[in-house]
Amino acid sequence: RKEVEQDPGPFNVPEGATVAFNCTYSNSASQSFFWYRQDCRKEPKLLMSVYSSGNEDGRFTAQLNRASQYISLLIRDSKLSDSATYLCVVNRLPRVRFGAGTRLTVKP
Amino acid sequence: DVKVTQSSRYLVKRTGEKVFLECVQDMDHENMFWYRQDPGLGLRLIYFSYDVKMKEKGDIPEGYSVSREKKERFSLILESASTNQTSMYLCASSFAAGPRTDTQYFGPGTRLTVL
Repeated sequence: RKEVEQDPGPFNVPEGATVAFNCTYSNSASQSFFWYRQDCRKEPKLLMSVYSSGNEDGRFTAQLNRASQYISLLIRDSKLSDSATYLCVVNRLPRVRFGAGTRLTVKP
Repeated sequence: DVKVTQSSRYLVKRTGEKVFLECVQDMDHENMFWYRQDPGLGLRLIYFSYDVKMKEKGDIPEGYSVSREKKERFSLILESASTNQTSMYLCASSFAAGPRTDTQYFGPGTRLTVL
C-alpha cells in the first residue's frame, strides 16, 4: 500500500463548479501536510499548507483530518486556469511523501 | 524570489554512460532534494542533503549517487545509465529552520532519456 494515496482522476468539470479532492496517508506520525499544483510540463509549486483547523485562500480550502488520516482540497467557482495536477504532500521529516496527483480539467 | 535551476531541460544518453545532473539554488537553503517523477508513481525521493557534504538516501537510491561540495549546488550522478532511469528528474530546496521549513521550491526539471 502506498504511503500517500490520491484519486488520479481525471476530474473534468465545467467552469464555476465546485470540486473536491481527497488524499489519504498511512503514517500517523506524519507531521505536516501540503497541496502542490503542477501544470503540464512544469515543476510543482506550493498551493497551500494544510492545518487541522482548516485554512482558506480565496476559492481554495484545505482541511486535515488526523483521526481519519486524510487531507482534502476544495476548489469553489472553478476557473479554466485551475486546470492542473494537484499533488498532496505528507511530511515526516526527513522524509517527504508525494501523492501521484489528481488531474483536474476545467472546461468552458 | 527563490530560484532553483537545473543544468539541462532535456538530455539524451546511451546505456552505460555516466550522467551528471546539476542543480543550483540561490536562496541559501540548507536542504536540497533529488526526485524522479514517473506517470502514475508521482515524485519519488532519490537522495537529499541537509548540509554541505551531507547526504541521505531516499526511497530509490539504487543506481544513483550525489555530491554536495557547496551549499548552493547539489549534483545527481548516474554511474552507468540504464533504460529504466529514463524519467523526469526534479531538484528542490528548502530551509532547514524557520516557519517555512517544509516548503520545497522546485527546479524546472530535466527530462532524461536513456537509449
